[in-house]
Amino acid sequence: GAGVSQSPRYKVAKRGQDVALRCDPISGHVSLFWYQQALGQGPEFLTYFQNEAQLDKSGLPSDRFFAERPEGSVSTLKIQRTQQEDSAVYLCASSLYTKGGVNTEAFFGQGTRLTVV
Amino acid sequence: RKEVEQDPGPFNVPEGATVAFNCTYSNSASQSFFWYRQDCRKEPKLLMSVYSSGNEDGRFTAQLNRASQYISLLIRDSKLSDSATYLCVVNSQTNDYKLSFGAGTTVTVRA
Repeated sequence: GAGVSQSPRYKVAKRGQDVALRCDPISGHVSLFWYQQALGQGPEFLTYFQNEAQLDKSGLPSDRFFAERPEGSVSTLKIQRTQQEDSAVYLCASSLYTKGGVNTEAFFGQGTRLTVV
Repeated sequence: RKEVEQDPGPFNVPEGATVAFNCTYSNSASQSFFWYRQDCRKEPKLLMSVYSSGNEDGRFTAQLNRASQYISLLIRDSKLSDSATYLCVVNSQTNDYKLSFGAGTTVTVRA
């Protein structure tokens, strides 16, 4: 497809369950971002990849959160032992590349809405 | 203090009206500024970049004030289709790939 694709679109998990969220960025996009968006809030940065390298994971809220992009394209965000406070929309974005001081446009996927019950 | 702060609104305006709102950012080293639009239950999409000299895109005008560290967006001749949440987005020179988002300003245009 032409855009960023995320799956699943909706996920309901029981507290304590592990979940895996997938992101297919736009082909050829070097940069990949994960954001978490709580209801009524703007997206909050979680982590960033440049190709397969995870350059910044400072936004991951706890060690239960883990992200990978092993071949520099598809990325997976994994949340272990989910808690109710993890309920949010998880957005993935990709961009062609990032020049120093100037971002190129980031394109977002439609997100995965995670509800932990 | 959050990196990017916005007036959440909502701004309820009639069709044809002009609406304007600001956002402030805390990092004086920030180099890139954007306005994104997010419709209900949809992903954010780039509306426009914001340049130092200010810029216009049709009915939308963006301004940057580095001294006071704020960005503004003005919408002229509002359309029903302009109803959305507008997200102010800023990056910093130290982490130029990290985009920081405001919580959004909600605009509702009524007939």
